[in-house]
Amino acid sequence: DQQVKQNSPSLSVQEGRISILNCDYTNSMFDYFLWYKKYPAEGPTFLISISSIKDKNEDGRFTVFLNKSAKHLSLHIVPSQPGDSAVYFCAASGPGNQFYFGTGTSLTVIP
Amino acid sequence: GAVVSQHPSWVICKSGTSVKIECRSLDFQATTMFWYRQFPKQSLMLMATSNEGSKATYEQGVEKDKFLINHASLTLSTLTVTSAHPEDSSFYICSAPPTGWGSVTQYFGPGTRLLVL
Repeated sequence: DQQVKQNSPSLSVQEGRISILNCDYTNSMFDYFLWYKKYPAEGPTFLISISSIKDKNEDGRFTVFLNKSAKHLSLHIVPSQPGDSAVYFCAASGPGNQFYFGTGTSLTVIP
Repeated sequence: GAVVSQHPSWVICKSGTSVKIECRSLDFQATTMFWYRQFPKQSLMLMATSNEGSKATYEQGVEKDKFLINHASLTLSTLTVTSAHPEDSSFYICSAPPTGWGSVTQYFGPGTRLLVL
């Protein structure tokens, strides 16, 4: 059973525009959420995170929004750059320190 | 920053042989490490939690006798794929939260690509 879902397998955005990646989860015990960026044949690299006590966290061009009632989080990248092209995974963590990953969204930023 | 290494980065083996993959935290201690597996175009799937000084905890559906995990020290965990078969070919990634830093930060290794012929 997939507890973390990313329903859009791919996304294409024009350079300079906003990229919005979405993630849904089912387990109400999750209290920490992260976004990872992954290039082919490499391990994921941490991007940004948010605790369940917040609804927004911003770091430079990256902002993560959390809607606990909807069990939904999103990652906004603005402005998008070609170097942002990668696969983005959202992950959730709850008691036990384990991470459950979504299936990923492949972002392509078109120059 | 914190670094996690994996060795080897790439391995090819014959069917029926065993392969050991090492995961090391280079500049921090980790009492817990996690092992993931990724199939092409699929998510990272948590396989097991490696605990220093005790038995690993396996996720449902993961054969513990096939994927042997040993957390030998606070900086090293190994995953041994025993009697490997072509369906075990995959990308294996470990991660570790630094001990004492809280539970939220995970540092990922670069991954090990296994190809079983």
